[in-house]
Amino acid sequence: EAQVTQNPRYLITVTGKKLTVTCSQNMNHEYMSWYRQDPGLGLRQIYYSMNVEVTDKGDVPEGYKVSRKEKRNFPLILESPSPNQTSLYFCASTQWGSTDTQYFGPGTRLTVL
Amino acid sequence: AQSVAQPEDQVNVAEGNPLTVKCTYSVSGNPYLFWYVQYPNRGLQFLLKYITGDNLVKGSYGFEAEFNKSQTSFHLKKPSALVSDSALYFCAVRAYSSASKIIFGSGTRLSIRP
Repeated sequence: EAQVTQNPRYLITVTGKKLTVTCSQNMNHEYMSWYRQDPGLGLRQIYYSMNVEVTDKGDVPEGYKVSRKEKRNFPLILESPSPNQTSLYFCASTQWGSTDTQYFGPGTRLTVL
Repeated sequence: AQSVAQPEDQVNVAEGNPLTVKCTYSVSGNPYLFWYVQYPNRGLQFLLKYITGDNLVKGSYGFEAEFNKSQTSFHLKKPSALVSDSALYFCAVRAYSSASKIIFGSGTRLSIRP
């Protein structure tokens, strides 16, 4: 089954404690992206990756890092989380081309105390 | 700069009535336009897209959307609403010339009452 998986699905942490949210897709997609969803703001892109070892900032990259060492994985790293990073996070992937349809993971709800 | 506006935070419709969820956009050049739906505790699911061609696009679950270039709109429609259509709907746009930038609207919560 074609899917995007994220782990963990729920996470409560404290300010300053480094964390990683994993994202993996099994569709051999080149393009992967991270979004955060906040009430009234919709989805805002944090980082994206066009392919292995190619990453770039989205609209709200401050406080986040990513890496793309393998095509299937695109982890999101919060080196020193702060309460304003409490949000719902989605990973997405797509085969850039004629379809352009993004496939989304189930989401990770992060709370930073 | 690209932008997407969904002017209504919430749309309330009686079951069986037609529904419209509005979306307007701003982009340089030709747009790619999308609608996604989010059910509670789920990720976004693709509904439909406009790339080129016929201005009326048909998608999943009986939804359709009309691309109007002069009004820069891409409203989502359905002739007869179902209670199960209740969800959060997002419009998104990407410029034809941009390989990376997708902008999402703020979302519209659709509520269908029995």
